[in-house]
Amino acid sequence: EVQLVQSGAEVKKPGESLKISCKGSGYSFTNFWIGWVRQMPGKGLEWMGIIYPSDSDTRYSPSFQGQVSISVDKSISTAYLQWTSLKASDIGMYYCTRGRDQVEFDYWGQGTLITVSS
Amino acid sequence: QSVLTQPPSVSAAPGQKVTISCSGGISNIGNNHVHWFQQLPGTAPKLLIRDTSKRPSGIPDRFSGSKSGTSATLVITGLRTGDEADYYCAAWDNSLSSGVFGGGTKLTVL
Repeated sequence: EVQLVQSGAEVKKPGESLKISCKGSGYSFTNFWIGWVRQMPGKGLEWMGIIYPSDSDTRYSPSFQGQVSISVDKSISTAYLQWTSLKASDIGMYYCTRGRDQVEFDYWGQGTLITVSS
Repeated sequence: QSVLTQPPSVSAAPGQKVTISCSGGISNIGNNHVHWFQQLPGTAPKLLIRDTSKRPSGIPDRFSGSKSGTSATLVITGLRTGDEADYYCAAWDNSLSSGVFGGGTKLTVL
């Protein structure tokens, strides 16, 4: 069974750093893209970026380029989404997804809720 | 402002048919596949239609997708109350070199 299991909810202060994770199982981790999608409270889905675990080929949305970093450790089938300095506007639910291509996301993680408040 | 434009809401009665549109441009829908996602309240999105018109395993044939030019359409027939959800279209955008989602459409089954 394909599963993407994300790390738990986080409560952070503005300016703090954060790295959340997404562990894939039940499939060949290196043969599919891993995407990250943001959903702010009460809002729609936003495509943030993707990484191909086999060669770490990474693409970012212009809206998120320079704001976050996507990485992967294929030895443990885990992808990461990282911030160096969180802002209040980073609040939301963050989903990792498995991609057959850069947009065809066929499996989704349960989401990681990030709260940023002073 | 989303690159792909969807109506904010649609509604129909149980058993009826509803169509959800997704309007884009040459750089996205016009030259790439469209995918549709269903997000039930409080849950993660689910892939509903892939490659514009294909249904993943387990998706009933009440759901169908199509595309014409720079617009795509999701059609749901035989509506059920369990279909109440937010629906999103998505495509790759060649100009942005990025994926893009529509703003989402909330379906209400009256």
